[in-house]
Amino acid sequence: GENVEQHPSTLSVQEGDSAVIKCTYSDSASNYFPWYKQELGKGPQLIIDIRSNVGEKKDQRIAVTLNKTAKHFSLHITETQPEDSAVYFCAATYYGNNRLAFGKGNQVVVIP
Amino acid sequence: DGGITQSPKYLFRKEGQNVTLSCEQNLNHDAMYWYRQDPGQGLRLIYYSQIVNDFQKGDIAEGYSVSREKKESFPLTVTSAQKNPTAFYLCASSGDRGRTDEKLFFGSGTQLSVL
Repeated sequence: GENVEQHPSTLSVQEGDSAVIKCTYSDSASNYFPWYKQELGKGPQLIIDIRSNVGEKKDQRIAVTLNKTAKHFSLHITETQPEDSAVYFCAATYYGNNRLAFGKGNQVVVIP
Repeated sequence: DGGITQSPKYLFRKEGQNVTLSCEQNLNHDAMYWYRQDPGQGLRLIYYSQIVNDFQKGDIAEGYSVSREKKESFPLTVTSAQKNPTAFYLCASSGDRGRTDEKLFFGSGTQLSVL
């Protein structure tokens, strides 16, 4: 089955700097890659996703890039703010697969 | 507001006891899921249901049971056979039957601890 790995496990950034989280996946059939944000004591929320027919997608301060050849995708957060502090999960799957494989999560800490 | 409601927020289980976690959604979604989250770990799938009166085992179903008698409800029972039940449990739903390549809507979770 699909195996998703995230690096680094913890990331500390100064407020206003950029944060980048990278995920690698193993199954070349995967074509849908979402990112979820989980704040303390809450359930994860989808913040952005990308399908394999595009290489990059942006939504205000966040963006996701996909490299199908290398089988990795990355979350980019620009101009970080304290409210960006959370755990971020990447995941991978494909249409017809009954599993959404999650990575173990990255703790992002934005230092004011 | 539409969404997923999990209750209770905190739950304590005694030795040998079965406990049931509630999950209700008013999003009119077909598919519902239960995940377990342990500290520093990803989300592991316990059970999922694509339609009423049908459900499938996920990756870590042993010691758990579910039912799907109504579209809106997908309760999870943690049985006494689950020897390490302490975890954060998350319920989720999605609109299409079992399509994992679309947005999941999560509840706010239930923290289960063993007394």
